[in-house]
Amino acid sequence: DTGVSQDPRHKITKRGQNVTFRCDPISEHNRLYWYRQTLGQGPEFLTYFQNEAQLEKSRLLSDRFSAERPKGSFSTLEIQRTEQGDSAMYLCASSLEASPAPYEQYFGPGTRLTVT
Amino acid sequence: DQQVKQNSPSLSVQEGRISILNCDYTNSMFDYFLWYKKYPAEGPTFLISISSIKDKNEDGRFTVFLNKSAKHLSLHIVPSQPGDSAVYFCAARGTASKLTFGTGTRLQVTL
Repeated sequence: DTGVSQDPRHKITKRGQNVTFRCDPISEHNRLYWYRQTLGQGPEFLTYFQNEAQLEKSRLLSDRFSAERPKGSFSTLEIQRTEQGDSAMYLCASSLEASPAPYEQYFGPGTRLTVT
Repeated sequence: DQQVKQNSPSLSVQEGRISILNCDYTNSMFDYFLWYKKYPAEGPTFLISISSIKDKNEDGRFTVFLNKSAKHLSLHIVPSQPGDSAVYFCAARGTASKLTFGTGTRLQVTL
């Protein structure tokens, strides 16, 4: 297994367009998290899934954002009607709840979104 | 309201010396603390963690100390190596295992 993967790595879009990102977690991991990181800041929690259920969403996640994890495998994060303030690195992480160290989240390389 | 703070945006240390990175937190409900290392254009990589019931955890060159009464933790890297140059994030685990990160400290290890 090669770890958490994200696609695309970079996305440039015009304001008002919709974008979708994909995350493939480590295969046996049942938890999947989305974070957003802007310049000079640490990653900020957006939402997380336990298997296919989305259990929590941050107030940062406006109604233009939607995330899914069908069948508890890969996840997608969609942003509708993008705004310049959405420009950031979007990070996905996964973890195994039942492991001895369930707090260790393994991050993907991120998708850098630029909204022009 | 920043619950996890890293007050030093950067740190420069000579190769072979000790690097000490600091982190403060405000929420006493955090139960685990973690350090992540991040290179440009990569996601954060897990380094070391500590439970809130411990005061020290060591893994090779990396040691994390937790002072619960002061709500302070630190990461010690001994000896520092040029490959350690990266941005280091302190993170704290809260409800639902979601992590709250600090703003990071850029470590530069010089020859």
